[in-house]
Amino acid sequence: DIQMTQSPSSLSASAGDRVTISCRASQSISTYLNWYQQVPGKAPQLLIYGASSLHRGVPSRFSGSGSGTDFTLTISGLQPEDFATYYCQQTYSTPYNFGQGTKLEIK
Amino acid sequence: EVQLVESGGTVVRPGGSLRLSCEASGFAFDEYSMNWVRQVPGKGLEWVAGITWTGDNSDYADSVKGRFTVSRDNLKNSLFLQLNNLRGEDTAVYYCARSGTYYVDAFDVWGRGTMVTVSS
Repeated sequence: DIQMTQSPSSLSASAGDRVTISCRASQSISTYLNWYQQVPGKAPQLLIYGASSLHRGVPSRFSGSGSGTDFTLTISGLQPEDFATYYCQQTYSTPYNFGQGTKLEIK
Repeated sequence: EVQLVESGGTVVRPGGSLRLSCEASGFAFDEYSMNWVRQVPGKGLEWVAGITWTGDNSDYADSVKGRFTVSRDNLKNSLFLQLNNLRGEDTAVYYCARSGTYYVDAFDVWGRGTMVTVSS
């Protein structure tokens, strides 16, 4: 199975900041890497697919990069609605494991 | 509107069984693979099972293999998850999610979830 490791587990930032969340796969997954945002009490929502492609309707302040084993989610110009938990997920092979999550909190 | 609505979650005793349903609307259900993902309250996401658009192929997380069965009825636009021999660690919110819009099978549509509690 492919294990996904996110860092950091939590992050404090202020509105307007630029933040970066990392995700590492235990083996190469090409660009089969997706990012989700989850607000408390709600279902996850897809942000980025294929490591760097923006899902329709997602603001352009979200961006993703990486390939192989190392990936990054960047949020430029944090908005109040961005304070949530973020998960990476590999869909290279089943089981489609998720990272443990990164909770983004208001400083 | 593209929508997934789960149902069937309840309180069940250890060793018991349950069938979850997910009703799809607003899209051609029979053209997409579907998945179940669960989340223990306050914890992370765990992929549970997936099934291809035809229903011919399915796969499971090791933690549920042999106990859970995923199926679908394309005529009724519905996805199912049969949960047998339930354990306390199966307590979670269960989400159904669509994949197949993109080549990487990202989960682009999610339901709101249904809560399963395994307790005596």
